[in-house]
Amino acid sequence: EDQVTQSPEALRLQEGESSSLNCSYTVSGLRGLFWYRQDPGKGPEFLFTLYSAGEEKEKERLKATLTKKESFLHITAPKPEDSATYLCAVRYGNKLVFGAGTILRVKS
Amino acid sequence: GAVVSQHPSRVICKSGTSVKIECRSLDFQATTMFWYRQFPKQSLMLMATSNEGSKATYEQGVEKDKFLINHASLTLSTLTVTSAHPEDSSFYICSARAGGGITDTQYFGPGTRLTVL
Repeated sequence: EDQVTQSPEALRLQEGESSSLNCSYTVSGLRGLFWYRQDPGKGPEFLFTLYSAGEEKEKERLKATLTKKESFLHITAPKPEDSATYLCAVRYGNKLVFGAGTILRVKS
Repeated sequence: GAVVSQHPSRVICKSGTSVKIECRSLDFQATTMFWYRQFPKQSLMLMATSNEGSKATYEQGVEKDKFLINHASLTLSTLTVTSAHPEDSSFYICSARAGGGITDTQYFGPGTRLTVL
């Protein structure tokens, strides 16, 4: 069965304390791995798409990487405004299957 | 670019009434739109895939007669919750797919909070 698993479920960081979120997946023939950010009461905001192992994408303090079985979202020197739920999704055919998300809290 | 809107953002209705939610892609055409449901502290669950000009494809366990989906144009899809009951209370989110083929991306609307009394 195709699955997307995110870890940790929740992460608390001090401002400036870098860390990584993990997204592991089981799929035959990856057709895209997506990272989204979701704030409470809002829809997911698109961050990155990765298609092949070894690919990396960066945006401000965020960097996403992809291997054959997992993706990492690295957060460098986070700020309180980076607090949100980060969702990973994998495309299976025509659909996206989401992981449960990682709730990130950054304290000043 | 790639902005998706939803209306209304919040709706409160009485049990037994029907509620319509609109999803629009504002700056691109979307041949495919998706409807999701999200319960508190849970991830998104796909309800149905909507293709312009054809019938929606519903996920297993989703009642197609209860959740009516119409995708009449390349920029508009609607979800109607018919005869709503309290258990239908949830956060409904739509997305629209931009681009085509392997590089397409789903962009999400801001969501609609439905409360059925």
